[in-house]
Amino acid sequence: SQKIEQNSEALNIQEGKTATLTCNYTNYSPAYLQWYRQDPGRGPVFLLLIRENEKEKRKERLKVTFDTTLKQSLFHITASQPADSATYLCALTNAGKSTFGDGTTLTVKP
Amino acid sequence: DVKVTQSSRYLVKRTGEKVFLECVQDMDHENMFWYRQDPGLGLRLIYFSYDVKMKEKGDIPEGYSVSREKKERFSLILESASTNQTSMYLCASSFPAGGIAEDTGELFFGEGSRLTVL
Repeated sequence: SQKIEQNSEALNIQEGKTATLTCNYTNYSPAYLQWYRQDPGRGPVFLLLIRENEKEKRKERLKVTFDTTLKQSLFHITASQPADSATYLCALTNAGKSTFGDGTTLTVKP
Repeated sequence: DVKVTQSSRYLVKRTGEKVFLECVQDMDHENMFWYRQDPGLGLRLIYFSYDVKMKEKGDIPEGYSVSREKKERFSLILESASTNQTSMYLCASSFPAGGIAEDTGELFFGEGSRLTVL
């Protein structure tokens, strides 16, 4: 069966450092992979998307890589800030349907 | 601003009651989805719809039904609520991927409806 694993439930880092979150998957061939941010009590908000034929995508302080051989995506936040503290979800999408990982809760300490 | 609106943020119902969760989007999206989110289990897809009057089962449809009579509205129905349906319910909508080059199936979520079944 399909499985999506995000590296850890919680990640704590110091302000200014780079946060790296991992999303691994098995038994899946996604057309693309998305990353969302979710704040407590709110719905997820779309951040970035990367297609199966792309290796890397950037948006401001965010960078996503996608390795379909390793079946892994890495999500980086550079120069992290306390405002980046949230839960980050990866989602694999194929045929219009998205399957989500459990999320990693990032805490950036000042 | 694009918007997905869920009718109730918090509901408390009793076991056996019929529950309606309503979702309305103002973006003219074809696709609409219902997820539930539980600690340790992430978001799980209950039902989705690609068009008016069309519906497809997701990963956990048991105990739920849906209705899509108009393009902008997608309702989730719990015919007889049970305590294991206590959860956060999230509605989302999207354009179909590939319809236009930039249409990627990015999901727009509502704020969620937290349902407690006693």
